[in-house]
Amino acid sequence: EVQLVESGGGLVQPGGSLRLSCAASGFTFSDYYMDWVRQAPGKGLEWVGRIRNKASSYTTEYAASVGGRFTISRDESRKSLYLQMNSLKTEDTAVYYCARWRTTLDYFDNWGRGTLVTVSS
Amino acid sequence: DIVMTQSPLSLPVSPGEPASISCRSSQSLLQSNGNNYLGWYLQKPGQSPQVLIYLGSTRASGVPDRFSGSGSGTDFTLKISRVEAEDVGVYYCMQVLQSPRTFGQGTKVEIK
Repeated sequence: EVQLVESGGGLVQPGGSLRLSCAASGFTFSDYYMDWVRQAPGKGLEWVGRIRNKASSYTTEYAASVGGRFTISRDESRKSLYLQMNSLKTEDTAVYYCARWRTTLDYFDNWGRGTLVTVSS
Repeated sequence: DIVMTQSPLSLPVSPGEPASISCRSSQSLLQSNGNNYLGWYLQKPGQSPQVLIYLGSTRASGVPDRFSGSGSGTDFTLKISRVEAEDVGVYYCMQVLQSPRTFGQGTKVEIK
């Protein structure tokens, strides 16, 4: 069974940093592109960014709202995805989901349950 | 960025009745290979999103056949032939043609 489990969320002050993790199991993690998607409280879904697999040179993409502040990485040996968030703003407050991308069919086929990040003083 | 616009934003439906959600994109999502790069997701209350439809009209594995996706180019529709209580939640369309991937605002479906 495919499982994605996010962790690392919490309360952080504006300007601070936080690193989220997503532990993957039940599939060959190294084969897949992985994304982060967030959802502000009571709001809709917003794509945050992507990291491709080794075959695609681990290239990354980011939404303009987080580019230059957030960095996505992955550790194949730990089967984990990461989101390093720096210079956090109040508007970054959201539940952050990791999601697995089905490359040939172009959709998210599995999502984690999310981890809440609250940016507040 | 491609802007996705859904309507309506709220949709009360009686059980057993049909429902329809519209999604329009600011650019064509149709590629030369004939695929429309649009997906539909449902977020049930308290849950993570789950895929319903991909590439415009292909139902994902395990999705009941009362759900169907149609449309091409810039205009798309998600139809539920007969709404059931378990279908309540927020429905999102999402374009996957180009980065950044963008979602519609969401349509909240509730049972009357």
